[in-house]
Amino acid sequence: GDSVTQMEGPVTLSEEAFLTINCTYTATGYPSLFWYVQYPGEGLQLLLKATKADDKGSNKGFEATYRKETTSFHLEKGSVQVSDSAVYFCALPRATNKLIFGTGTLLAVQP
Amino acid sequence: GAVVSQHPSWVICKSGTSVKIECRSLDFQATTMFWYRQFPKQSLMLMATSNEGSKATYEQGVEKDKFLINHASLTLSTLTVTSAHPEDSSFYICSARGGGGQETQYFGPGTRLLVL
Repeated sequence: GDSVTQMEGPVTLSEEAFLTINCTYTATGYPSLFWYVQYPGEGLQLLLKATKADDKGSNKGFEATYRKETTSFHLEKGSVQVSDSAVYFCALPRATNKLIFGTGTLLAVQP
Repeated sequence: GAVVSQHPSWVICKSGTSVKIECRSLDFQATTMFWYRQFPKQSLMLMATSNEGSKATYEQGVEKDKFLINHASLTLSTLTVTSAHPEDSSFYICSARGGGGQETQYFGPGTRLLVL
């Protein structure tokens, strides 16, 4: 069945470090792919998305490229800030409008 | 962007009581709303999908008589946890999706339920 696999956290980085959070998926067809972010004590917010292969989603300095050949949608940021500390979820929408979430990756950025 | 609110943001109740959680789409009409449950340090698990004016569709393993969902209007869905027990303590999150083939879901801030 359809699934999303994320790297396990927590990921601990110093401020201004480079971030990569891996996400791979298994699905039929070529679905859109999403990254959501959950800040402490808050609900999920859509961070970025890509709707087709080779698309690059970007927002707030984060980027992710939809790579069909490796079935991946890795999240990257060149220079993280303390305010980026949150849980990041990769997600895959399915035809029934359900969202399949990865397990989430906790990012902790230290000053 | 689209805004979804939830009320209350947190609730503490005694075992055996019922708790109602509201989910509202503030600036768009939500033809479909989703209810999720999130355990500490875990991902979101879809509980049910509700379409305005029709019965909710529950995921396997979710008791429909335990978690009553009503989607009476295009801007409001409610989740009622009936006869709550401590194991129902969790973070409940709703999301809403507009019509017209949109696939993006907009999430509420969540409701933390603690059953004593």
